[in-house]
Amino acid sequence: ELKVEQNPLFLSMQEGKNYTIYCNYSTTSDRLYWYRQDPGKSLESLFVLLSNGAVKQEGRLMASLDTKARLSTLHITAAVHDLSATYFCAALANAGGTSYGKLTFGQGTILTVHP
Amino acid sequence: DAMVIQNPRYQVTQFGKPVTLSCSQTLNHNVMYWYQQKSSQAPKLLFHYYDKDFNNEADTPDNFQSRRPNTSFCFLDIRSPGLGDAAMYLCATSRDRIGGKYFGPGTRLTVT
Repeated sequence: ELKVEQNPLFLSMQEGKNYTIYCNYSTTSDRLYWYRQDPGKSLESLFVLLSNGAVKQEGRLMASLDTKARLSTLHITAAVHDLSATYFCAALANAGGTSYGKLTFGQGTILTVHP
Repeated sequence: DAMVIQNPRYQVTQFGKPVTLSCSQTLNHNVMYWYQQKSSQAPKLLFHYYDKDFNNEADTPDNFQSRRPNTSFCFLDIRSPGLGDAAMYLCATSRDRIGGKYFGPGTRLTVT
């Protein structure tokens, strides 16, 4: 069974600082997703990573994938208050099992950016 | 714009009173999912439809049922809501099982 673990679960940052959120998954996965969720809102898709070594960037966020280590990272550069939200990674179960296509989420990282 | 729509956005029901949540999509996607998200937790998949093929998660309570009368619509029925069923319910769609998931805005369910 695919398991996904994020750390840290809580992250308090000062504006202007850099930090990384880590996402480990337990079995092979074809796709890794990152989502943002604001309080009381739905999930907003940030990135989908499809292959080993994939790197995607959007503004102050950069996501990468190492399929050999079963690790994805979400790097925050020069944080601003608007980035405060909960960030989830999710891995897609591969073909061949009963969970094919199922998205398994990490626990979420609550990010708070302080002035 | 093509999108995933959920109605209502907020639903209050009484303990034990059946309730139905609605999801519709204009993306013409084959797969529709229902997730339950309790406060400060990750979304948890309840079930999904691949076209008309229903797939229930092993740990989804019998209290939760779903219907998909056509490609565009999918319903979540909670037969006898308990206080523990209060949550955000998220509908999502994807073109196929491995395609990107498009999430609706969610329905916040309160049980009194």
